[in-house]
Amino acid sequence: QKEVEQNSGPLSVPEGAIASLNCTYSDRVSQSFFWYRQYSGKSPELIMSIYSNGDKEDGRFTAQLNKASQYVSLLIRDSQPSDSATYLCAVNRDDKIIFGKGTRLHILP
Amino acid sequence: GAVVSQHPSWVICKSGTSVKIECRSLDFQATTMFWYRQFPKQSLMLMATSNEGSKATYEQGVEKDKFLINHASLTLSTLTVTSAHPEDSSFYICSAELAVATDTQYFGPGTRLTVL
Repeated sequence: QKEVEQNSGPLSVPEGAIASLNCTYSDRVSQSFFWYRQYSGKSPELIMSIYSNGDKEDGRFTAQLNKASQYVSLLIRDSQPSDSATYLCAVNRDDKIIFGKGTRLHILP
Repeated sequence: GAVVSQHPSWVICKSGTSVKIECRSLDFQATTMFWYRQFPKQSLMLMATSNEGSKATYEQGVEKDKFLINHASLTLSTLTVTSAHPEDSSFYICSAELAVATDTQYFGPGTRLTVL
């Protein structure tokens, strides 16, 4: 089982709708969870970090964490064409961050 | 947010030569920096963890004699790709962790290496 799993997509969402990105992880002792956005040819940019079960909101972004299910998600409200990118889920393990392969999100104008 | 720079942003070199990539934390001190490599359409793969003042810790399968890492100060880490081969062509990205705890990493803009 891969440590961090994401659906590679592409996930196509109409502009203005809610984009829902999902991620599962295998290490139960992980305590820190991150969502990064990566545009093509660019390096990742941190969007959200979450450490506790429940929801965490920041602007149009909401991260959701369920440690019992080993599941973390990212919701993007009012999706914009500029949100089109690859979204990387990342989880800490020991002193490192392990990344998923990312989900390609395409916002349809 | 914390700013991390990398230099150069892209480099083309001949096979057999060495290339040095610099990673700097501009507005904070970073006791730990990380070096990643990303091939097209693949995820980031951690190559090594660079700790200021000590030897780097390499991930399994990464040749430490080929990828030399030096972390001489709290704001600078360098990665030298020695005797580069075409298969070393990739996107190399560094990240820095704030010295005051948290495991949040801030990424540099990346260096695209092409080995001819």
